[in-house]
Amino acid sequence: DAGITQSPRHKVTETGTPVTLRCHQTENHRYMYWYRQDPGHGLRLIHYSYGVKDTDKGEVSDGYSVSRSKTEDFLLTLESATSSQTSVYFCAIRHSVLGYGYTFGSGTRLTVV
Amino acid sequence: KNEVEQSPQNLTAQEGEFITINCSYSVGISALHWLQQHPGGGIVSLFMLSSGKKKHGRLIATINIQEKHSSLHITASHPRDSAVYICAVISNQFYFGTGTSLTVIP
Repeated sequence: DAGITQSPRHKVTETGTPVTLRCHQTENHRYMYWYRQDPGHGLRLIHYSYGVKDTDKGEVSDGYSVSRSKTEDFLLTLESATSSQTSVYFCAIRHSVLGYGYTFGSGTRLTVV
Repeated sequence: KNEVEQSPQNLTAQEGEFITINCSYSVGISALHWLQQHPGGGIVSLFMLSSGKKKHGRLIATINIQEKHSSLHITASHPRDSAVYICAVISNQFYFGTGTSLTVIP
């Protein structure tokens, strides 16, 4: 998918456990994003990154942290998963060359039980 | 408050029908995306536009910047067009509509 992959694709975890989702890109794009998608809410921004070690919060950042130690990887961590974090998570990259074009990853379906 | 509103929320059509999905937004934008998401699937960008009209096969997207409105049209609809269509605008950040669920019946 245009050089962006998410892992894992599916995960079931218990309340209170830490979880890390990975977004990997192969095209050296500067901007990367993490969204969650829930029925009735559409896609909501969790965190985004505008470069290595440069990240900022989105509208639903509580309970999440991110890290970007190298250009190709953007990690989303739930330090202590809660049932309200059951969702589908999408990573996206913004194309540096094609103006404001975006590509989304295939999504990670996370279930917290 | 939603910066992006789509209508209708759900749409069922017979194969071959002409379909229109509407998107209105309340913020100043630099561009607008129409996205497609099949059930259980990833999100694909169909169009990015900042003015006028674009056409890909049976899909047509238009935007009126002054009226802050965009439409996505599907001509000669087909069951494989069944998906959720999401309008998203790029302002200081990316704002998403909640999507229009389209079902095309054979």
